[in-house]
Amino acid sequence: QVQLVESGGGVVQPGRSLRLSCAASGSTFSSYAMHWVRQSPGKGLEWMAGISYDGSNEYYPDSVKGRFTISRDNSKNTLFLQINSLRAEDTAVFYCARDGGSGTYSHDWFDTWGQGTLVTVSS
Amino acid sequence: IQLTQSPSSLSASVGDRVTITCRASQGISSYLAWYQQKPGKAPKCLFYAASTLQSGVPSRFSGSGSGTDFTLTISSLQPEDFATYYCQQYNSHPLTFGGGTKVEIK
Repeated sequence: QVQLVESGGGVVQPGRSLRLSCAASGSTFSSYAMHWVRQSPGKGLEWMAGISYDGSNEYYPDSVKGRFTISRDNSKNTLFLQINSLRAEDTAVFYCARDGGSGTYSHDWFDTWGQGTLVTVSS
Repeated sequence: IQLTQSPSSLSASVGDRVTITCRASQGISSYLAWYQQKPGKAPKCLFYAASTLQSGVPSRFSGSGSGTDFTLTISSLQPEDFATYYCQQYNSHPLTFGGGTKVEIK
């Protein structure tokens, strides 16, 4: 069973940048698209980014396009999320999640989630 | 695509039958997933394709619907089912979630 472990969260000042990581166990990481989903304190879930199995395609909602960048290193079984120009409203738990199916196209539902990493944007 | 869940919360007793509804702002075929989230934990997928049960999920859970109206049903609520439930559409980007339904103990 694959396990996902996020890291890189913490307290960051507004306007600064942060890079989150998600380490995946197992040998199948490179076969799956991957995603980042965030959850603001006491709120619901919000999809932030997705990336194809080989990293050739990236997907974002308009709300974060240009400010968030998803990437992956399949040789290290690791997913990344670069967040620039952090804002107070970015305060949230960020989860990485594996796509619901392997292969060349993203199925866009999430079958495995990490435990999350908390990002707090505060001066 | 906006997803509206109802109710936003409910109180129920162990053994009750519970139904949660998710309505999409436009047709999404069967491209809907359901997740369960317990406090302080990551979400867990219950269903995808509206009614396909994820491996390991108890059969007291069922999902149905297509187009714009979907339902998650728990046939006999168990103590471990008290949680918040979210629907998610994957018909088109951006992927979106419903606002959640919190199932509490009566």
